[in-house]
Amino acid sequence: AQSVTQLGSHVSVSEGALVLLRCNYSSSVPPYLFWYVQYPNQGLQLLLKYTSAATLVKGINGFEAEFKKSETSFHLTKPSAHMSDAAEYFCAVSDLTGANNLFFGTGTRLTVIP
Amino acid sequence: KAGVTQTPRYLIKTRGQQVTLSCSPISGHRSVSWYQQTPGQGLQFLFEYFSETQRNKGNFPGRFSGRQFSNSRSEMNVSTLELGDSALYLCASSSDGGAVTEAFFGQGTRLTVV
Repeated sequence: AQSVTQLGSHVSVSEGALVLLRCNYSSSVPPYLFWYVQYPNQGLQLLLKYTSAATLVKGINGFEAEFKKSETSFHLTKPSAHMSDAAEYFCAVSDLTGANNLFFGTGTRLTVIP
Repeated sequence: KAGVTQTPRYLIKTRGQQVTLSCSPISGHRSVSWYQQTPGQGLQFLFEYFSETQRNKGNFPGRFSGRQFSNSRSEMNVSTLELGDSALYLCASSSDGGAVTEAFFGQGTRLTVV
């Protein structure tokens, strides 16, 4: 079965510091992986997705993620945190059937300290 | 282009009652998925509809049902409400429901069961 594990339910960084949010996946076949962001009282917005085209994926708002098969990881990074990055971030993997049914991690709440 | 619209945004129901939530997808999108988000269980897939047919279903009891109309609008129904059904219900639409097709989320309906 497909699954993702997000390490750290809460991460705090100073404004301008590196953001690193961790995600490890479990899949019997090469997966499709996603990062979503959720702001308070909002739905989810896609940050980026990995579909096997390139291992380093660039997304919106300066975020990027690198797919590492040897580590079964898909960590999300941003070189310099901004106050507006404070939100909850979810890693997700697609259903093996090929449909867009997502299995989400438990989420990581990012706090940015001024 | 209008986004995914979910109505109502907030709902309070009594245990034992039933409730219907509505989702209007982005114009042209034929796939609608529903997710339940709770602090304890996180984001869980409920079901997906494509062209008025349920294509996939998550691991939820039969009290949770849905349907999709010819204009792709979807409704989700929960019968015999339980306290544990209190959650944020998110709807996501995509053009074809494919594994790598971006899913756009609505702001959700927050259901409180008392």
